[in-house]
Amino acid sequence: QQQVKQSPQSLIVQKGGIPIINCAYENTAFDYFPWYQQFPGKGPALLIAIRPDVSEKKEGRFTISFNKSAKQFSLHIMDSQPGDSATYFCAASGAGSYQLTFGKGTKLSVIP
Amino acid sequence: KAGVTQTPRYLIKTRGQQVTLSCSPISGHRSVSWYQQTPGQGLQFLFEYFSETQRNKGNFPGRFSGRQFSNSRSEMNVSTLELGDSALYLCASSPLAGLETQYFGPGTRLLVL
Repeated sequence: QQQVKQSPQSLIVQKGGIPIINCAYENTAFDYFPWYQQFPGKGPALLIAIRPDVSEKKEGRFTISFNKSAKQFSLHIMDSQPGDSATYFCAASGAGSYQLTFGKGTKLSVIP
Repeated sequence: KAGVTQTPRYLIKTRGQQVTLSCSPISGHRSVSWYQQTPGQGLQFLFEYFSETQRNKGNFPGRFSGRQFSNSRSEMNVSTLELGDSALYLCASSPLAGLETQYFGPGTRLLVL
């Protein structure tokens, strides 16, 4: 069964801190790994995505680190702000599957 | 450009009834996917349509069905509703045949009593 395991379930950091959310996958056919951010009452919004041919990708304050051999990837949020408080989901998909498999989500709270 | 729109936003039904949810993708997008979101199971893939063809279906019973029209608008139907069908149903659209840059709508909150 295709699975993506995400941890931690919840995370509390102070403003300016660097929360790190981790995901692990089993299916080696996965070749696209996006992260989504969801605020209450809204649908998920694509934050940043990576493919296995690179080990790191940065977009603004968000960085994905990817370890292909360990089948793990993580999201780092630099200089976190209270406005970053949301639920974050990692996901994965494989070529030709036409579906995203999501992790269970991490509820992030950034305290002022 | 208008985002993905879903109607209705909230819905209350009773067990045994059926329900139809609607999704209008972003203009020009031809791929539409549906997901069910619950606190316990998270986001689970239901099905994906491209140019009116269902290309993939998730592990849901046959009570869950969908279709896509020639204008890319999509509907999903759930028949014989069960209490466990209470969830947020999300629609996402993508401009290309793949899944990159998938844009989600706000969802339809379904409560089954």
